[in-house]
Amino acid sequence: SAVISQKPSRDICQRGTSLTIQCQVDSQVTMMFWYRQQPGQSLTLIATANQGSEATYESGFVIDKFPISRPNLTFSTLTVSNMSPEDSSIYLCSVLRGGTEAFFGQGTRLTVV
Amino acid sequence: AQTVTQSQPEMSVQEAETVTLSCTYDTSENNYYLFWYKQPPSRQMILVIRQEAYKQQNATENRFSVNFQKAAKSFSLKISDSQLGDTAMYFCAFMKLTVGQNFVFGPGTRLSVLP
Repeated sequence: SAVISQKPSRDICQRGTSLTIQCQVDSQVTMMFWYRQQPGQSLTLIATANQGSEATYESGFVIDKFPISRPNLTFSTLTVSNMSPEDSSIYLCSVLRGGTEAFFGQGTRLTVV
Repeated sequence: AQTVTQSQPEMSVQEAETVTLSCTYDTSENNYYLFWYKQPPSRQMILVIRQEAYKQQNATENRFSVNFQKAAKSFSLKISDSQLGDTAMYFCAFMKLTVGQNFVFGPGTRLSVLP
């Protein structure tokens, strides 16, 4: 199994500010994934972060709103920029091991007031 | 594009009983994986069971088993001898085996195990 440390676990932020979420993996992985889980909803992929290249964003998500960094093979950050109450969600990072098994961080519960 | 449907938003089961959660999916792919993930109130996503589409044999993992019907694109999860710790959201997920593989999750089923 993979150990993924994600922080912060929760935060309450003022609208218009930005929050950076960190994800640290216990071993090197090629791809890291960032998901959003809105209240009572399923997981939606925001973007795929590859080390050494620009992140690939899914439809409906843009880099200006959700900039991602991937400085090495064990670490990634997701920033939620210029936040509004609609950004209140759980954000999760994930990695694949063995090509098919996904492991998830503990999630960051974000509340924007 | 792939879609995953879970038609049961909520279910409940008595402790020690058996419950089946439904999942259907739509894809034109022939090679893919299907998963059931559990998300308890702690928010941690936990893999319950995995099925390779090329395998006809249904996957089992202790009290958890699946009924995989490839032609019908159906992938149900059976939980036997339900325990209080099984209370959680259960997500069915699809993953295709191509470059840029990623998961498509269903909307989830909230399962409550009653004492």
